[in-house]
Amino acid sequence: GNSVTQMEGPVTLSEEAFLTINCTYTATGYPSLFWYVQYPGEGLQLLLKATKADDKGSNKGFEATYRKETTSFHLEKGSVQVSDSAVYFCALRGDTGGFKTIFGAGTRLFVKA
Amino acid sequence: GAGVSQSPSNKVTEKGKDVELRCDPISGHTALYWYRQRLGQGLEFLIYFQGNSAPDKSGLPSDRFSAERTGESVSTLTIQRTQQEDSAVYLCASSLSGVHSYEQYFGPGTRLTVT
Repeated sequence: GNSVTQMEGPVTLSEEAFLTINCTYTATGYPSLFWYVQYPGEGLQLLLKATKADDKGSNKGFEATYRKETTSFHLEKGSVQVSDSAVYFCALRGDTGGFKTIFGAGTRLFVKA
Repeated sequence: GAGVSQSPSNKVTEKGKDVELRCDPISGHTALYWYRQRLGQGLEFLIYFQGNSAPDKSGLPSDRFSAERTGESVSTLTIQRTQQEDSAVYLCASSLSGVHSYEQYFGPGTRLTVT
């Protein structure tokens, strides 16, 4: 079945550092890929998405490129801020089998001033 | 417009009691999902409704868990004979349709504590 694997946290960075959170997936067909973010005390919200190979999703300075050849969707940001401290979830939604969304375990990011 | 709402926001119950959690999806969203999030962990899929199709119940952990949805509106998740391991935040999400490219919109969750 479909699955998502993302790097374990927590990840601790200083402000203005470069961020990468790795995400790889296993799926048949052509799934859509998402990054969701959960800020402290808030609900999950969509950060960005990509729906086909080589698409790049971007939002709030974050980017992720749908790489079918490496089955990856790594999240990157060039310069993190304290306000980026949150839990980040990589997710996959298949185009077959009922469209169930599979989430990764989440990666907690702490950004220090 | 209004987002996904869930009630109650918090529920404390004694072991062995039944609980019912409610989700109001965004109007017009035909797909509705329930997830469970244990403390410090990721999201665990429970059940998925899409329009009038039979729901995907493959994530329900035991027969103590059940869910219903009336048409394309409100959904209730029922947990019978609650156990301490049922303590978690239960999240509901809706999306515009079952098309795989559509993102989900999450409610604030119901925090369930079983004592």
